[in-house]
Amino acid sequence: GDSVTQMEGPVTLSEEAFLTINCTYTATGYPSLFWYVQYPGEGLQLLLKATKADDKGSNKGFEATYRKETTSFHLEKGSVQVSDSAVYFCALIDTGGFKTIFGAGTRLFVKA
Amino acid sequence: NAGVTQTPKFRILKIGQSMTLQCTQDMNHNYMYWYRQDPGMGLKLIYYSVGAGITDKGEVPNGYNVSRSTTEDFPLRLELAAPSQTSVYFCASSPQGALGETQYFGPGTRLLVL
Repeated sequence: GDSVTQMEGPVTLSEEAFLTINCTYTATGYPSLFWYVQYPGEGLQLLLKATKADDKGSNKGFEATYRKETTSFHLEKGSVQVSDSAVYFCALIDTGGFKTIFGAGTRLFVKA
Repeated sequence: NAGVTQTPKFRILKIGQSMTLQCTQDMNHNYMYWYRQDPGMGLKLIYYSVGAGITDKGEVPNGYNVSRSTTEDFPLRLELAAPSQTSVYFCASSPQGALGETQYFGPGTRLLVL
């Protein structure tokens, strides 16, 4: 079945460092891909998405490009802030279109 | 708009007790979902609904029941609580189903079964 694999955390960075969180997926067809973020004590919220190959999703300085050839959707940010500390989930919509498959999440800590 | 609201925020249950987790959305979304999130894990889909009167099982439905009598409400029922149901439960909704659509999440209900 469809699945999402993320790099294990936690990831600890200093403020203004470059961030990459790896995400790869297995799916039949061409799923839509998402990054969600969960701040402490809150529910998930959409960070960015891409619905077809070579699309780039971006928001709040974060970017991810839908790479069909490598089945990847890595999250990047050029300069992280303390306020970016959160858990980041990579996800895809399954080919039936009703269900979102989530990765296990990657916790990010940013130190001042 | 309040978005997706969930009650209660936190609950402790004894083994064998029952309870209902409430979920309400005010965005007129057709699709609603219940997930559980175990520590260090992603979200697993328990049940979902594509509209009032229609529900279907997700990945981990055992021990739970749902109903959808209105567009706004999607309660989750635990009949005989077990320690394995200790988790954080999230309700979510989306306008027209998951395909390409953002899901909007509630703040979660933390449940502890002792």
